[in-house]
Amino acid sequence: GAGVSQSPSNKVTEKGKDVELRCDPISGHTALYWYRQSLGQGLEFLIYFQGNSAPDKSGLPSDRFSAERTGGSVSTLTIQRTQQEDSAVYLCASSLRGNYGYTFGSGTRLTVV
Amino acid sequence: AQKVTQAQTEISVVEKEDVTLDCVYETRDTTYYLFWYKQPPSGELVFLIRRNSFDEQNEISGRYSWNFQKSTSSFNFTITASQVVDSAVYFCALSLPRGNNDMRFGAGTRLTVKP
Repeated sequence: GAGVSQSPSNKVTEKGKDVELRCDPISGHTALYWYRQSLGQGLEFLIYFQGNSAPDKSGLPSDRFSAERTGGSVSTLTIQRTQQEDSAVYLCASSLRGNYGYTFGSGTRLTVV
Repeated sequence: AQKVTQAQTEISVVEKEDVTLDCVYETRDTTYYLFWYKQPPSGELVFLIRRNSFDEQNEISGRYSWNFQKSTSSFNFTITASQVVDSAVYFCALSLPRGNNDMRFGAGTRLTVKP
């Protein structure tokens, strides 16, 4: 597609439930990133995929968070047993390769109640 | 470790004023990349500029200009003749050409341009 697509745009879930957030990057972009932006805060790096290499998961805040990228394209970020502190906007970005300008999606606003 | 500091949390100006957003970075690497992004109220981050550490030439794009000074580790962003549509949160970011290439963002500066 023309841009990075994220779905859903909004998600409200009950504490303890699992959620899946989807990111569809720009076709041909080998690098894909997930960031989290809490209310009024900057962007927190979560995970990075580059081609077929093993992902860098160093930013994932706990083992409740996981992500995969199938076929080098679509990525899914999964949060298990959601907590209220997980409430944030989750942003996905893709890049032709690292260190070029990222193209961000519109984000998924997650609210855990 | 790399770090980006945007000391100005919020700035408010009146339309047509010039405004400079400050960005100070820290890194021990000699090769790095600096970025500015705009996040309008709609929420989607918009890429504005990428600068590598070997290119200190300042850049101007319309009403936007960037001043990169390695001596002070700063990469400041100036908007001349500001407009209401410039109202947004602006993020400065730093990345290194190795490892995971993750981009470290500053906390952002919220710019409000009043008519």
